[in-house]
Amino acid sequence: AQSVTQLDSQVPVFEEAPVELRCNYSSSVSVYLFWYVQYPNQGLQLLLKYLSGSTLVKGINGFEAEFNKSQTSFHLRKPSVHISDTAEYFCAVSDQDGATNKLIFGTGTLLAVQP
Amino acid sequence: DGGITQSPKYLFRKEGQNVTLSCEQNLNHDAMYWYRQDPGQGLRLIYYSQIVNDFQKGDIAEGYSVSREKKESFPLTVTSAQKNPTAFYLCASSIGPPQRGYTFGSGTRLTVV
Repeated sequence: AQSVTQLDSQVPVFEEAPVELRCNYSSSVSVYLFWYVQYPNQGLQLLLKYLSGSTLVKGINGFEAEFNKSQTSFHLRKPSVHISDTAEYFCAVSDQDGATNKLIFGTGTLLAVQP
Repeated sequence: DGGITQSPKYLFRKEGQNVTLSCEQNLNHDAMYWYRQDPGQGLRLIYYSQIVNDFQKGDIAEGYSVSREKKESFPLTVTSAQKNPTAFYLCASSIGPPQRGYTFGSGTRLTVV
């Protein structure tokens, strides 16, 4: 079964600095990959997704992610963060069980942007 | 606008009582899901349903029950058998193919008092 590892539980960063949130998944077979963002006491909102094609995926709010099949990674990046980016970020991978549409989520990374 | 509505946003329960969390969607999505979120543990799947009148257990189904009598609705009951029910509960739906991802509700925070 698929699994997702988010290596950092919390990432502190200063405003306007670049940031990378790391995500690795367990299987090298064809997968679909997602990043979601969660603001306090809210549901999850889709940031971006990789289905196929170009390995660099651009999402909302200036975020992008790069799919690396050989390293089974899908790291999220932003060149310059804002205070409003403070939130929890979840990486997810589709379960390749063809009978269901389950997503497997990582444990999340809290991005804490400081002024 | 289409979306998923979870109610109530905050819920307090006395020990030993059952409580039902509501999840309604008007997206015409076939599949619906319930997740539990605890600090540092990410999202854990409780139950999911791919079609009306059918549902499957997820990873942590013990102490929970669901029904799917209508396509739009997927209520979750937290029973007295759930030993540690205090958590944030998220409902999601999807149209079917895995590449579509999920749409999430805004969550219900359940506290046992």
